[in-house]
Amino acid sequence: DADVTQTPRNRITKTGKRIMLECSQTKGHDRMYWYRQDPGLGLRLIYYSFDVKDINKGEISDGYSVSRQAQAKFSLSLESAIPNQTALYFCATSDSGRGPRGSAQYFGPGTRLTVL
Amino acid sequence: QKEVEQDPGPLSVPEGAIVSLNCTYSNSAFQYFMWYRQYSRKGPELLMYTYSSGNKEDGRFTAQVDKSSKYISLFIRDSQPSDSATYLCAILRDNYGQNFVFGPGTRLSVLP
Repeated sequence: DADVTQTPRNRITKTGKRIMLECSQTKGHDRMYWYRQDPGLGLRLIYYSFDVKDINKGEISDGYSVSRQAQAKFSLSLESAIPNQTALYFCATSDSGRGPRGSAQYFGPGTRLTVL
Repeated sequence: QKEVEQDPGPLSVPEGAIVSLNCTYSNSAFQYFMWYRQYSRKGPELLMYTYSSGNKEDGRFTAQVDKSSKYISLFIRDSQPSDSATYLCAILRDNYGQNFVFGPGTRLSVLP
């Protein structure tokens, strides 16, 4: 987990507030991802980025936006938080240079977000 | 039908038992399969990675893929209390490396 760090680790906020979650990695990987995890639903992809200029929506991108500030930094924003965005959020990285066999993702420790 | 299905458990076993964790999937084109372990309040960590059918062994862990049945398994031999965690299966939907589908995870408790 030390190679992929997330801040903050915990956040409680109110409906309508803007929230930013940050992710940094020292693995040298080019690909970065944001997931949310909800009980019984598994991990679901919000956004992914293949490099600084390549950002793509995942399966549940509505209500979220991202910014890839550098190869090592990828932030997730909730422009106007709502209670059903309460979840555990994970950043992950992977290395495209190894093709499909190297597509295994490495996760950060997570951010527990509560929207009241 | 869901792309990936996994019994959420919880599964409780005594220390030293052999544990079998399983996932089924719907798309016969899937080729790359992974198992992640997630401890409480931690991010998932890659445990095993397999391609196509067959078995792969790593210490006490064995990953098995049966493509004909669309069934993947993770076996843990001589289970330890430190194996208590949630185990997630993950399947790569394509060959480009970014499109994963994760199972919801099976929560395992190994009792001393």
